[in-house]
Amino acid sequence: AQSVTQPDIHITVSEGASLELRCNYSYGATPYLFWYVQSPGQGLQLLLKYFSGDTLVQGIKGFEAEFKRSQSSFNLRKPSVHWSDAAEYFCAVGASGTYKYIFGTGTRLKVLA
Amino acid sequence: EAGVAQSPRYKIIEKRQSVAFWCNPISGHATLYWYQQILGQGPKLLIQFQNNGVVDDSQLPKDRFSAERLKGVDSTLKIQPAKLEDSAVYLCASSLEQADTQYFGPGTRLTVL
Repeated sequence: AQSVTQPDIHITVSEGASLELRCNYSYGATPYLFWYVQSPGQGLQLLLKYFSGDTLVQGIKGFEAEFKRSQSSFNLRKPSVHWSDAAEYFCAVGASGTYKYIFGTGTRLKVLA
Repeated sequence: EAGVAQSPRYKIIEKRQSVAFWCNPISGHATLYWYQQILGQGPKLLIQFQNNGVVDDSQLPKDRFSAERLKGVDSTLKIQPAKLEDSAVYLCASSLEQADTQYFGPGTRLTVL
């Protein structure tokens, strides 16, 4: 069965600093991988997704993620964080065939001015 | 393009009462999902519809939860009777087809006292 681990529950960075949020997955085949962001009181907004092809994926709001099969990872990065990026970030894996998403427990990002 | 609509946004009830949530997916989206997001956790799939048929309801507590999508468009999720542990955010999502990206609504925050 597929699973997702987001090892960091909370991360605090200063505005303008770089960011990397970790995501590790467990799945037997090539998974579909997603990063969503959830602002307080809001639903989940898709940042980016990986289905196949180029392992470096560009998303909205200046985010990117890299799929590393050998490490079973799909880490989210941003070179310079803005105060408006403070939110909770969820990694999800989708099983090809069933298309059922399994979400990680999320990483809450705090941005210091 | 209008997003996924949900109502109400907030609901407070006492245990053993019943409650219903409504979701209107993005126009043309055949697949509709209901998720439960307990505080501090990632969303967990409750039920998935393809048009008006149920694809997956393996994690729906069927003794108290029910859902329908009679005309293959909007959907309702009902809880009867509610328990304290049902306090959560209930998210609705939709996708064009099963293999496509899921788009989420703002959610309904349920508090059971």
